[in-house]
Amino acid sequence: DIQMTQSPSSLSASVGDRVTITCRASQNINNYLNWYQQKPGKAPNLLIYAASSLQSGVPSRFSGSASGTDFTLTISSLQPEDFATYYCQQSYSPPYTFGQGTNLEIK
Amino acid sequence: EVQLVQSGVEVKKPGESLEISCKGSGYSFTTYWIGWVRQLPGKGLEWMGIINPGDSDTRYNSSFQGQVIISADKSISTAYLHWTSLKASDTAIYYCARQGGGSVSIDYWGQGTLVTVSS
Repeated sequence: DIQMTQSPSSLSASVGDRVTITCRASQNINNYLNWYQQKPGKAPNLLIYAASSLQSGVPSRFSGSASGTDFTLTISSLQPEDFATYYCQQSYSPPYTFGQGTNLEIK
Repeated sequence: EVQLVQSGVEVKKPGESLEISCKGSGYSFTTYWIGWVRQLPGKGLEWMGIINPGDSDTRYNSSFQGQVIISADKSISTAYLHWTSLKASDTAIYYCARQGGGSVSIDYWGQGTLVTVSS
């Protein structure tokens, strides 16, 4: 199975900050990497697919990038509604494993 | 409008069987694979498996193989997750999810079904 190692597990930041979350795949996943946001009590929501493609309706302050097996989610200027938990997921080969999650908290 | 509507909260005893459901609407149900994702209390997301509703081809995460059964009835656009003998450790929220986005991402999620297993 492909392992996804996500870091950090938690992060404190302020409104307006630029934030970066990383995810590393244990093998090549051909950029089949997705990012989701989950708020308490809600189902996750797709932000980015194919490592860098913005899902329709998602604000442009969210972006994704890739370098080999390393992937990054960047939020350019944090808004109050962005405080949530973020997960990466590889969809290259089943099981489509998730990273452990990053809990983004208000500083 | 695409929707995945899951069955309601379940409270069961250890050893009991259970089936929860996920009904799709607003799209051709047989076009996209449907997956199930577990979230233990206060924990992260775990991908359990997927099914092609068109032909019932199913892929399981080895961690869940033999523990649950994923099925679908395309005539009523519904996918199922079934346990034959529940354990307390099965207490979790279970989400169904359409793997229909770009790069097989999950573009639509059900609202989640809370399953509580307690004696």
